[in-house]
Amino acid sequence: SQTIHQWPATLVQPVGSPLSLECTVEGTSNPNLYWYRQAAGRGLQLLFYSVGIGQISSEVPQNLSASRPQDRQFILSSKKLLLSDSGFYLCAWSMDRAGVYTGELFFGEGSRLTVL
Amino acid sequence: SQQGEEDPQALSIQEGENATMNCSYKTSINNLQWYRQNSGRGLVHLILIRSNEREKHSGRLRVTLDTSKKSSSLLITASRAADTASYFCATPPGGSYIPTFGRGTSLIVHP
Repeated sequence: SQTIHQWPATLVQPVGSPLSLECTVEGTSNPNLYWYRQAAGRGLQLLFYSVGIGQISSEVPQNLSASRPQDRQFILSSKKLLLSDSGFYLCAWSMDRAGVYTGELFFGEGSRLTVL
Repeated sequence: SQQGEEDPQALSIQEGENATMNCSYKTSINNLQWYRQNSGRGLVHLILIRSNEREKHSGRLRVTLDTSKKSSSLLITASRAADTASYFCATPPGGSYIPTFGRGTSLIVHP
């Protein structure tokens, strides 16, 4: 069965410090991968998605970046955090069977980032 | 931009009652999905209904879709305290495969 791991679960960082959140998926190959951010009491905002190694699409221009160094690994980074980067970050994957998107997203448990 | 919006934003009911949440969306869709999120956790996929379907059931969940009104509803029958969570609808806008999410309905079921 497929599993998704996301870490760290909780993070408190000072303004201006770097960030690295990591997500890995097991039990599947060639997944589509996503990073969403959820601000308090708000919906999910899509930040990045990837359909393959090294292929990253950005939905929101900001000081965050994403990378996919391996098929099942997705990393969210920042060189200098802002106060506004605080939030709940969720990694997700979806299956693309033979070029057909199946619809469902499968989420990790999230990483709560507080920037002080 | 948000494609779907849930209504109501918050719902408080007693155990055993039914809970109904609604979702409205703006553009044509291929499918509509409902997710559940327990406090501080990731989202869990509940059910997907395709644009050519009008109703779908899964256990105590019943989802309807009215493409003419661009709306969907999620009914949870005989609710339990464990159903307390936030519920989100998500729709990939026509031509896209990536779901965009509403702000969710916060459901509290009192024992």
